[in-house]
Amino acid sequence: DADVTQTPRNRITKTGKRIMLECSQTKGHDRMYWYRQDPGLGLRLIYYSFDVKDINKGEISDGYSVSRQAQAKFSLSLESAIPNQTALYFCATSDNRRGETQYFGPGTRLLVL
Amino acid sequence: GENVEQHPSTLSVQEGDSAVIKCTYSDSASNYFPWYKQELGKRPQLIIDIRSNVGEKKDQRIAVTLNKTAKHFSLHITETQPEDSAVYFCAACLTSGTYKYIFGTGTRLKVLA
Repeated sequence: DADVTQTPRNRITKTGKRIMLECSQTKGHDRMYWYRQDPGLGLRLIYYSFDVKDINKGEISDGYSVSRQAQAKFSLSLESAIPNQTALYFCATSDNRRGETQYFGPGTRLLVL
Repeated sequence: GENVEQHPSTLSVQEGDSAVIKCTYSDSASNYFPWYKQELGKRPQLIIDIRSNVGEKKDQRIAVTLNKTAKHFSLHITETQPEDSAVYFCAACLTSGTYKYIFGTGTRLKVLA
């Protein structure tokens, strides 16, 4: 779905570095989410935001922080990256008025050395 | 904490046969159950969903059934085709009060031509 974009698409970084993953959407949705995907573990929710002033922790928020800069933008930060944060990260959006379907971005593949 | 168990982890079927994927959830308050399909290298996309007040829903070759008493729900794909080959994820969600969107660990379906 081209309406949800993520940058960068791939990133290699070193342990201890700060890194930010960005998500933008043109769908006009109020809700945004960050997930990580690991082989055999499925998708796990890191943080979610129901509007600009609302930020909530998901299942696995430790080591991550987020910022909802605008309705259309939701960023995920790793303050001090560690190797077990190597994963595929997805941003998703949903429209509170139209049900619970989540629309995913293309993903960011992160490797922490 | 709450979890969603998904079985099998891999499934191979002959083209034209049916495929069934099963999920069990732990939080009896869950009220929304989507299924997502993720093709290789792509983002997850919703294929069908069901709410807790419905026992079964069909969309062409795909159906989902829900047994709230047993906390089970299943995805049924009939007349499978090679393009059905993908990873399928179930999720059990609580969409009111404390928000939860918990995914199963995925089933890799291979449809053999």
